[in-house]
Amino acid sequence: DIQMTQSPSSLSASVGDRVTITCRASQGISNSLAWFQQKPGKAPKSLITAASSLQTGVPSKFSGSGSGTEFTLTISSLQPEDFATYYCQQYKSYPFTFGGGTKVEIK
Amino acid sequence: EVQLVESGGGLVQPGGSLRLSCAVSGFTFSDHHMDWVRQAPGKGLEWIARSRNKTKTYTTEYAASVKGRFTISRDDSKNSLYLQMNNLKTEDTAVYYCCRSPAGTSPCDYWGQGALVIVSS
Repeated sequence: DIQMTQSPSSLSASVGDRVTITCRASQGISNSLAWFQQKPGKAPKSLITAASSLQTGVPSKFSGSGSGTEFTLTISSLQPEDFATYYCQQYKSYPFTFGGGTKVEIK
Repeated sequence: EVQLVESGGGLVQPGGSLRLSCAVSGFTFSDHHMDWVRQAPGKGLEWIARSRNKTKTYTTEYAASVKGRFTISRDDSKNSLYLQMNNLKTEDTAVYYCCRSPAGTSPCDYWGQGALVIVSS
């Protein structure tokens, strides 16, 4: 199975900060990488697929990059509604696997 | 509007069985692959199963943690996805989400609100 490792596991940031989350795959997955946002008690929300393609309706402050084994999710200017947990997921091969999550908290 | 609504969750004893359902609307269910993803309390997301569409002859995939115990199925005539869970273990306690794959091997784009399954004596 492909292991997905996210870092950091949590971070504290202020409104307006630029935030970057990293996701590493245990083997190459090309660009078969998705990012999700989850708020407490809610279902995950799809943000990005194919490593860098924003889902319809997702604001452009979110961006994704990377290919192969290393990927990043960047939030250009953190807003109150962005405080949540973020997960990466590889879909290159079954079983699809998620990273452990990154909790973005208010500083 | 795309909607997915899970039902069938509840409290079950270890070794017991439970069947989750996911009723969908707002899209052509038969065209899409569908997944189940779970989340144990306070933990991260775990993909557990996929049901491919009719074009792909309804083939399935499973995570090792549930293979042989859980069965994903669907009824396109009822716009419904199912997860039959047998020989449940305490570590199966989680919120179970059904979700839709937009195309091919793509990850999920739309998710249900989740159904809580508690396995406890």
